[in-house]
Amino acid sequence: ETGVTQSPTHLIKTRGQQVTLRCSSQSGHNTVSWYQQALGQGPQFIFQYYREEENGRGNFPPRFSGLQFPNYSSELNVNALELDDSALYLCASSLGQGFIYEQYFGPGTRLTVT
Amino acid sequence: AQSVAQPEDQVNVAEGNPLTVKCTYSVSGNPYLFWYVQYPNRGLQFLLKYITGDNLVKGSYGFEAEFNKSQTSFHLKKPSALVSDSALYFCAVREGGNKLVFGAGTILRVKS
Repeated sequence: ETGVTQSPTHLIKTRGQQVTLRCSSQSGHNTVSWYQQALGQGPQFIFQYYREEENGRGNFPPRFSGLQFPNYSSELNVNALELDDSALYLCASSLGQGFIYEQYFGPGTRLTVT
Repeated sequence: AQSVAQPEDQVNVAEGNPLTVKCTYSVSGNPYLFWYVQYPNRGLQFLLKYITGDNLVKGSYGFEAEFNKSQTSFHLKKPSALVSDSALYFCAVREGGNKLVFGAGTILRVKS
């Protein structure tokens, strides 16, 4: 098991609501990346945070936003939830930016939008 | 066009036989390439990466991958498969702008 934790484990929300997912990075890691993994698909990169700044973003609309705190933990916020947002959300931490370093993944948060 | 492709949805191999899981990429410049494995009900695990240097990269659990620039491929290999290697394998490539793109995944089934 990695030292990356995510909360909550599961979440059910209604279309139009807002959700916040949380990730605690492994000790000593200053970079966190977030991914969306729909059922039967590969992970889709949402964004990466390095030392509290967004440092790369995938093809996700602005209603997907994030935050990284001074202790390098991170939040993913999704506004105006849509049915297609139902997925497993993964976070990964690493020693540095740019995907040069190994990423350690958390177990994920399963979001269901009804 | 997709930056990374895994042409096989599933690969079946007998235990003890060599295995290959294919990956091709299409990014400009020098690619950063990765392999990850996902076991049922568990998170993604890093296997290996190619950033620069030797084209043959060795990783976790006896896996290796060969970077082939002319064929734009980064196939995952293992000389002798184990039943416990059965899992979902993802190839990934870093695109410009600091984005990581994953392939659709290949299910590896190793039968005893």
